[in-house]
Amino acid sequence: AQKITQTQPGMFVQEKEAVTLDCTYDTSDPSYGLFWYKQPSSGEMIFLIYQGSYDQQNATEGRYSLNFQKARKSANLVISASQLGDSAMYFCAMRLNQAGTALIFGKGTTLSVSS
Amino acid sequence: GAVVSQHPSRVICKSGTSVKIECRSLDFQATTMFWYRQFPKKSLMLMATSNEGSKATYEQGVEKDKFLINHASLTLSTLTVTSAHPEDSSFYICSAGTGPLNTEAFFGQGTRLTVV
Repeated sequence: AQKITQTQPGMFVQEKEAVTLDCTYDTSDPSYGLFWYKQPSSGEMIFLIYQGSYDQQNATEGRYSLNFQKARKSANLVISASQLGDSAMYFCAMRLNQAGTALIFGKGTTLSVSS
Repeated sequence: GAVVSQHPSRVICKSGTSVKIECRSLDFQATTMFWYRQFPKKSLMLMATSNEGSKATYEQGVEKDKFLINHASLTLSTLTVTSAHPEDSSFYICSAGTGPLNTEAFFGQGTRLTVV
């Protein structure tokens, strides 16, 4: 069975600083994708970044980068130059590359950015 | 990017009544849609996988007679909460994708259900 673990219930960071949100995963399947989503208080799920299990390079999307360490089964999200608007809940998720499979989510990390 | 529209965004209903939530893929065909439930400050828990033209697959512990799912077309899946009770109050959110290797899963806006 697949599992996603996020061990940080809450993280605090000051504006303009970088922050790392931890995520480890467990699967015996060699083909999978890892996702990070941001969920503000409105509830919408905002896609941030994707990393495929066969991707050689770490994914980057603007201020977001994914530190993918396959041997350690970790996929940490790094947010550079934090902004007040980054305050939200962040979910790490995984999906096997098989038709009809759902995203499995971690418990989430609440990020609070202060000025 | 692809858009998934979920309606209604908020609903309040009385105990014992049924509520239908719609999830539409607006610019792509979704053979599979997923329904999640989320309690406040908790994770998204998969309830069921909705397959177009066939019966939904429910996760362990989810009552299929309580949460009726219909996926009648490639662009619409519905979740009906039957005989709702206050404990069914939650945030329900659907998701759809265009294939297993799609690098993004698309979510609806979510429905906040309150049963009084």
